[in-house]
Amino acid sequence: DIQMTQSPSSLSASVGDRVTITCRASQSISRYLNWYQQKPGKAPKLLIYTASSLQSGVPSRFSGSGSGTDFTLTISSLQPEDFATYYCQQSYSSPRTFGQGTKLEIK
Amino acid sequence: QVTLKESGPALVKPTQTLTLTCTFSGFSLSTSGMRVSWIRQPPGKALEWLARIDWDDDKFYSTSLQTRLTISKDTSKNQVVLTMTNMDPVDTATYYCARELLTSFDIWGQGTMVTVSS
Repeated sequence: DIQMTQSPSSLSASVGDRVTITCRASQSISRYLNWYQQKPGKAPKLLIYTASSLQSGVPSRFSGSGSGTDFTLTISSLQPEDFATYYCQQSYSSPRTFGQGTKLEIK
Repeated sequence: QVTLKESGPALVKPTQTLTLTCTFSGFSLSTSGMRVSWIRQPPGKALEWLARIDWDDDKFYSTSLQTRLTISKDTSKNQVVLTMTNMDPVDTATYYCARELLTSFDIWGQGTMVTVSS
């Protein structure tokens, strides 16, 4: 199985900050990497697919980059509604696997 | 509009078999490229992918849980069913079904909470 490791596990930031979350795969997954946002009590929401493609309706302050084993999710200017938990997920092979999550909290 | 909704028991006893149904609308699982997965999340923990069924009836399972899982589909009813045998308290979680379109889970159900307790 491909292991996905996110860092940091938690992050405190302020509204307006630029934030970067990292995801590393245990082997090359090309660009088959997706990012999800999850708020408490809600299902995850797709933000970014195939490393850098913005899902329809997602604000442009979210962006993704990377290929191979190293990927990043960047939020250019944090908004109050962005405080949530973020997960990366590989779709290079089955079984699909998720990272352990990054909880983004208000400083 | 694409929607998915999970249904099943809220409480199961240890050693019992769990059966969950995902009922969807807005797409057909007989369309080439369509896939539906089950994913779970224990309280306060990360997402864990469980199983997937494809439009051509290919099936894939979590390595650690494959001996306990069975996934199936009823295309005429727009349903995907997951069974998990020998339930244990550690299986307490919210169970989600999600459509996998191309390479990502683009639409998720609301989730159903399952508690395993005697």
